[in-house]
Amino acid sequence: AQTVTQSQPEMSVQEAETVTLSCTYDTSESDYYLFWYKQPPSRQMILVIRQEAYKQQNATENRFSVNFQKAAKSFSLKISDSQLGDAAMYFCAYRHSISSGSARQLTFGSGTQLTVLP
Amino acid sequence: DGGITQSPKYLFRKEGQNVTLSCEQNLNHDAMYWYRQDPGQGLRLIYYSQIVNDFQKGDIAEGYSVSREKKESFPLTVTSAQKNPTAFYLCASSIVTDLETQYFGPGTRLLVL
Repeated sequence: AQTVTQSQPEMSVQEAETVTLSCTYDTSESDYYLFWYKQPPSRQMILVIRQEAYKQQNATENRFSVNFQKAAKSFSLKISDSQLGDAAMYFCAYRHSISSGSARQLTFGSGTQLTVLP
Repeated sequence: DGGITQSPKYLFRKEGQNVTLSCEQNLNHDAMYWYRQDPGQGLRLIYYSQIVNDFQKGDIAEGYSVSREKKESFPLTVTSAQKNPTAFYLCASSIVTDLETQYFGPGTRLLVL
């Protein structure tokens, strides 16, 4: 079974600085999807960014970008120009591809609590 | 506006009581999911449904039941067999394609009296 590991329970960053959150995963599949979700104090899960494993190019969404290293099974999230509103719990998640024939549920890591310091 | 709604926001359960959490979506999504979140942990899948009148158990289905009579609705019942029901429950939905992304509702906090 696949597992997702976030080894940093807590991180902090100064406002306007850059921070990188780490995520590693374990899978025997070659085709899959990776996600970063954000959970602010409201507890609503919000999609931040998505990466398809078959794409070599790293996904980017405004100030958010990923460093996807398929061979190393690593999927880190970089937040540039950090803002106070970025403070939240960040979850890394994995999903099989339809072509794998496996169930397409999301498997989540345990999360990284990000604090943004003014 | 399109979205996913969950009700109630807070729910209290007495010992031995069954309670039902509501999840409704107007996104025309085929698939719906129920997750449980415990403090300091990630989400774990309880049940999911990819089509009306069909649903599958997730990793922690024991003590829970679901129904999917309408595309828009996927209620979760926490039965008396669930001995540790205190948690935050999140419902999600998605289209059923390889590029599907799950979108989440605001959640329901269940507490035991």
